[in-house]
Amino acid sequence: GESVGLHLPTLSVQEGDNSIINCAYSNSASDYFIWYKQESGKGPQFIIDIRSNMDKRQGQRVTVLLNKTVKHLSLQIAATQPGDSAVYFCATYGKLTFGQGTILTVHP
Amino acid sequence: DAGITQSPRHKVTETGTPVTLRCHQTENHRYMYWYRQDPGHGLRLIHYSYGVKDTDKGEVSDGYSVSRSKTEDFLLTLESATSSQTSVYFCAISESGRQGATEAFFGQGTRLTVV
Repeated sequence: GESVGLHLPTLSVQEGDNSIINCAYSNSASDYFIWYKQESGKGPQFIIDIRSNMDKRQGQRVTVLLNKTVKHLSLQIAATQPGDSAVYFCATYGKLTFGQGTILTVHP
Repeated sequence: DAGITQSPRHKVTETGTPVTLRCHQTENHRYMYWYRQDPGHGLRLIHYSYGVKDTDKGEVSDGYSVSRSKTEDFLLTLESATSSQTSVYFCAISESGRQGATEAFFGQGTRLTVV
């Protein structure tokens, strides 16, 4: 079945550093990928998405990279801030399936 | 939040009782989803709907049923609640655009405790 997983469950960085969060997926037919941020006590919030006809997409301070050959995507956060501390999930369609999540902690 | 309301926000119920959670949207989106979130498991799909009266199972559907009689409402029912169903439940909505699926928006969650 379809699965989405993350390589690292936790990531600690210093304020101002760049952060990279990784995700592997198993369904080679997936054509749409999304990154979500979830703060404590809240529902997941959309960060950025990418379709399978692209390998890179940039937003404000965030970049998503997609490598379809190895079924891997990553989220890069530039100049990480304490407000970026949260759990980050990748998700993919078929059925909207989520990975386990990475806890990002940003130290001032 | 993108016009999604979950009710109740918190509920404590006894083992063996029926429980219904409600998800209400004002966005007229076609797709609606129910997830549960437990420590160490991320978000797991319970059931989803792709239109009025059109539903399908997710990866953890046992013990749950759903109904969608109107576009705006998606109900999740635990016919006989068990302690293993203690969790935080999230509803999500999404639509299809010209290029295919679009991002899902989530409600604030319902914390259910089965004692």
